[in-house]
Amino acid sequence: EVRLVESGGGLVRPGGSLRLSCEVSGFNFSTYSMNWVRQAPGKGLDWVSSISRSSSRIFYAESVKDRFTISRDNARKLLFLQMDNLKVEDTALYYCTGGSEYWGQGTLVTVSS
Amino acid sequence: IQMTQSPSPLSASVGDSVTITCRASQNINNFLNWYQQRPGKAPTLLVYLASTLHSGVPSRFRGSGSGTDFTLTISGLQPEDFATYYCQQTSSLPITFGPGTTVDV
Repeated sequence: EVRLVESGGGLVRPGGSLRLSCEVSGFNFSTYSMNWVRQAPGKGLDWVSSISRSSSRIFYAESVKDRFTISRDNARKLLFLQMDNLKVEDTALYYCTGGSEYWGQGTLVTVSS
Repeated sequence: IQMTQSPSPLSASVGDSVTITCRASQNINNFLNWYQQRPGKAPTLLVYLASTLHSGVPSRFRGSGSGTDFTLTISGLQPEDFATYYCQQTSSLPITFGPGTTVDV
């Protein structure tokens, strides 16, 4: 069974930091590029960041560049998103995805004073 | 690349055939995915590369198109198909999604 389980979300003040994790099982993690996609409450889907299989290529949406850092640990089948200098507009459900086909259930990040 | 979808919302009944249109602001060849999202759930992949049905997706779903214009057709709507559908282009960065089309009763 394929599982992607995100964790690390929560309530944080503007300017604060959070580190999201995604634990993967059921598919060959090291052969998939991985992504973070977010969805603000009641809104559509918004691509955040992607990382290639070997971490050699990393990409960010302009809205999070220089504030978010994506990384992965293929040995432990983990994906991370370090989020710094958080803004109110970063409030969303953050999904971890394996390629296009595998999605987690998301972890909620709320940025509010 | 900007993605637009129409119509939204789309009102339909069980058994209807419906078509959702997705348009890209520039040529994306066939780098187009379709997702279904039911309320309170994560999106699930329906179609990739514009017309290839993902494993396990019922054959009543069909994707077509290339370049800038794409469609997702659902033939014979089932109760579980009332959901929101998103297109996504992966031709170039940043990856972008359409705004979604909600299929409701």
